[in-house]
Amino acid sequence: EAGVAQSPRYKIIEKRQSVAFWCNPISGHATLYWYQQILGQGPKLLIQFQNNGVVDDSQLPKDRFSAERLKGVDSTLKIQPAKLEDSAVYLCASSFTRGAGVNTGELFFGEGSRLTVL
Amino acid sequence: GDSVTQMEGPVTLSEEAFLTINCTYTATGYPSLFWYVQYPGEGLQLLLKATKADDKGSNKGFEATYRKETTSFHLEKGSVQVSDSAVYFCALNGGSQGNLIFGKGTKLSVKP
Repeated sequence: EAGVAQSPRYKIIEKRQSVAFWCNPISGHATLYWYQQILGQGPKLLIQFQNNGVVDDSQLPKDRFSAERLKGVDSTLKIQPAKLEDSAVYLCASSFTRGAGVNTGELFFGEGSRLTVL
Repeated sequence: GDSVTQMEGPVTLSEEAFLTINCTYTATGYPSLFWYVQYPGEGLQLLLKATKADDKGSNKGFEATYRKETTSFHLEKGSVQVSDSAVYFCALNGGSQGNLIFGKGTKLSVKP
């Protein structure tokens, strides 16, 4: 079974530039998450999708971050304009949702996209 | 809000040593608890979980018991190997939406 795919693996940009990350979840997983992991910290949720609807984006800095999940499959996370403090690893994860809408709690993570903002 | 606190690292052990990584949590309700592991160059993966009080999760020789009275979920292994070198994250799932809240992670290095 293919895992969660993310690209690019590494990206270096200047501050105020824009960047986009792509994620393809495990086939059949209805729930998709984007997490931000700053060096030395645990992952922090940015946004959660259920199919193509947003479940939770309370911690997404909406003035510069945006995300979409077209057709309930692939997702793109965009940062525009980037700041120095956005340097982090951006993790995509997916999970299988049972019929009642209660997740199993196990998330499957991609390898992450490491962003460096200079 | 809900939170997870785990012991600061890094932790360096010799092969076959006993491992404990402490994890405590704060949550409303009755969360499920998890340990995730991140091996060098790889993504996070689930190591073990427990969904209710007194449950013991186990996998690959690692164990953790859900202690509601002490709000803890400490990770233990009786004899570590070099291949266990990784970063370990404690996490909780406090609600039906499935979002995980992570601790800061503990880096473990095992020397031969």
